[in-house]
Amino acid sequence: DTAVSQTPKYLVTQMGNDKSIKCEQNLGHDTMYWYKQDSKKFLKIMFSYNNKELIINETVPNRFSPKSPDKAHLNLHINSLELGDSAVYFCASSSLRTEAFFGQGTRLTVV
Amino acid sequence: GIQVEQSPPDLILQEGANSTLRCNFSDSVNNLQWFHQNPWGQLINLFYIPSGTKQNGRLSATTVATERYSLLYISSSQTTDSGVYFCAVRVTDKLIFGTGTRLQVFP
Repeated sequence: DTAVSQTPKYLVTQMGNDKSIKCEQNLGHDTMYWYKQDSKKFLKIMFSYNNKELIINETVPNRFSPKSPDKAHLNLHINSLELGDSAVYFCASSSLRTEAFFGQGTRLTVV
Repeated sequence: GIQVEQSPPDLILQEGANSTLRCNFSDSVNNLQWFHQNPWGQLINLFYIPSGTKQNGRLSATTVATERYSLLYISSSQTTDSGVYFCAVRVTDKLIFGTGTRLQVFP
């Protein structure tokens, strides 16, 4: 059983489109995250949700809107995609003082 | 904000060699993790190590929280150890990643 699963694994889309990435965790964790990995492999946090409530928004453009229907799911919706949004997006989950686990990543390519 | 620096940035080894990767952080942290990002892009958990020493097979890690550093030791390296190694520290509600060490192991 995959602990943190995100779909799709690959996403190729045109500039200006809207797309979503889904994430689910079955670890019973109460905190979920979205991270962005750029072309230089640097991993940066975008959002953090605790029990469905947004607790961190790291100055991400408004075109990115996370949504947490319950504490096991955290989806990422991106409007009006731009070339610079091309990256690998990782979902993760943890509890307050436990280790975090990451999904397999979604490679987004905007053309 | 907290700075997390890793060294060396790049490391090239021949199979069988040993190596030490270092992670320095600029402020107190709640905990620390080491990850291996394999060539397929997966982030694999290696150690959850807020302090002390842990060992798992050929890998071991030591964190000295009071001196704000952690070390990852890889012994008898194999080609499958290739990839990028990240440390990440938890500060309140987020995990902040280091700059990474890219390891290439050749046969």
